[in-house]
Amino acid sequence: EVQVLESGGGLAQPGGSLRLSCAAYGFTLSNYAMSWVRQAPGKGLEWVSIISGSDGSTYYADSVKGRFTISRDNSKNTLYLEMNSLRAEDTAIYYCAKAVVMGLIDYWGQGTLVTVSS
Amino acid sequence: DIQMTQSPSSLSASVGDRVIITCRANQGISNYLAWFQQKPGKAPKSLIYAASSLQSGVPSNFSGSGSGTEFTLTISSLQPEDFATYYCQQYNSFPFTFGPGTKVDIK
Repeated sequence: EVQVLESGGGLAQPGGSLRLSCAAYGFTLSNYAMSWVRQAPGKGLEWVSIISGSDGSTYYADSVKGRFTISRDNSKNTLYLEMNSLRAEDTAIYYCAKAVVMGLIDYWGQGTLVTVSS
Repeated sequence: DIQMTQSPSSLSASVGDRVIITCRANQGISNYLAWFQQKPGKAPKSLIYAASSLQSGVPSNFSGSGSGTEFTLTISSLQPEDFATYYCQQYNSFPFTFGPGTKVDIK
């Protein structure tokens, strides 16, 4: 059964850093594109980043470009999101999502909450 | 960036009603359009991809159509478990933008 399980969320101070993890089960991470999507409290969905399964190319939303880094460890079948220079507006539930092809999400994780506050 | 809009932003309907949600892109996206369902406090669930193809396990009372800039999600007979918020998303070009959502609640 395909599952993705996020962890690493929590409270961070403005300007601080946090690393999210997403463990993949039931499929080989490196064979698929993987996305991060976030949802601020009471708001809609916002696409954050994606990493290609084929060549590891990465893409980011303008709102996080230069601050966030998506990566994967194929040996651990795990996806990461390194978040630096955090801002209050980064407060959200962060979902890890598996994609069939670039951008086409078929499975979602349960999400992990990131709160940026002093 | 491609901007996605949805209408209506919310609607009230009864069990058994036919519900139609519209999603528009401000430029052509071919059929690179997906629909997601989200219930309160839960992760989104993938419903439809390529504008009209149902994800595995999605009930047949859901259907999608459209191409280019205008798309629709139709629920042919609303069931109690279908009350949720629905989002469209384009995956034609970066960044992969979502619509603002349509909340379907009980009349």
